[in-house]
Amino acid sequence: SAVISQKPSRDICQRGTSLTIQCQVDSQVTMMFWYRQQPGQSLTLIATANQGSEATYESGFVIDKFPISRPNLTFSTLTVSNMSPEDSSIYLCSAGGQLSYGYTFGSGTRLTVV
Amino acid sequence: QQQVKQSPQSLIVQKGGISIINCAYENTAFDYFPWYQQFPGKGPALLIAIRPDVSEKKEGRFTISFNKSAKQFSLHIMDSQPGDSATYFCAASRISGSARQLTFGSGTQLTVLP
Repeated sequence: SAVISQKPSRDICQRGTSLTIQCQVDSQVTMMFWYRQQPGQSLTLIATANQGSEATYESGFVIDKFPISRPNLTFSTLTVSNMSPEDSSIYLCSAGGQLSYGYTFGSGTRLTVV
Repeated sequence: QQQVKQSPQSLIVQKGGISIINCAYENTAFDYFPWYQQFPGKGPALLIAIRPDVSEKKEGRFTISFNKSAKQFSLHIMDSQPGDSATYFCAASRISGSARQLTFGSGTQLTVLP
C-alpha cells in the first residue's frame, strides 16, 4: 500500500493566519482525502481532493475556509484559512485507488491555534 | 443513515484477556466494514476488514464477527497484549459517486494492563 508523508507534523499558529499542510504519496493514487480529527474523537471527512479539478467538500466545510490543491497524482495540499482556536485539531491525509477498499492514512498534522 | 455507532468508548482489559468492541450501522448501502487501529501521534492503520457476505473473518488474534440481519459487527482481540493498547475505529464503506467513502465510528480507547 502507499506510504504517505505529511508536513508539518505539528504547528502552533496565531489566530487569523493560514496554514498549508502538504501530503505526499510515494506512488500515484487516484483518490486523496482530507480528514479532521478532534483530539480523542473520530475522523470527519473534509473533502475529496480531485486531480485537475475542484475538490468535493462535505457538508459543513467550504472552499474559502479549506482550499485544497491537487496538482498531480501524488501530491495535495490543504490550507486552513483565517484560523480560530476552534480549528485546533489533527488534520489527516488519506489516499488510495478509486475503488480501494482500504485507504492509507498519513500520520497527521496537529494544529494548535492560539 | 450515515452513522456508524461504536461502543464502548473505552475498554480496560487484563493481559491475556479478550477485548470486544461493537459497532452498528443503518445504511444497507455499506458493503465493506474495516477496522482501523490508531496509536498516539499516528494516523489510523487498516487492521482487518470484512464483507457482508461473510459472517466471520479471522487474522491472527483479531476476529471480526458480522451479523447482516442485525446490521452489527464486532472486533474480538484474543489474548490481548499491552502492545494492543490503542484507539480502534470501526468503519463502513460504500460507493459514493465515483469513489468509495468511509464513515467512521466514534472510536474505542483500549488499554491492556500488563
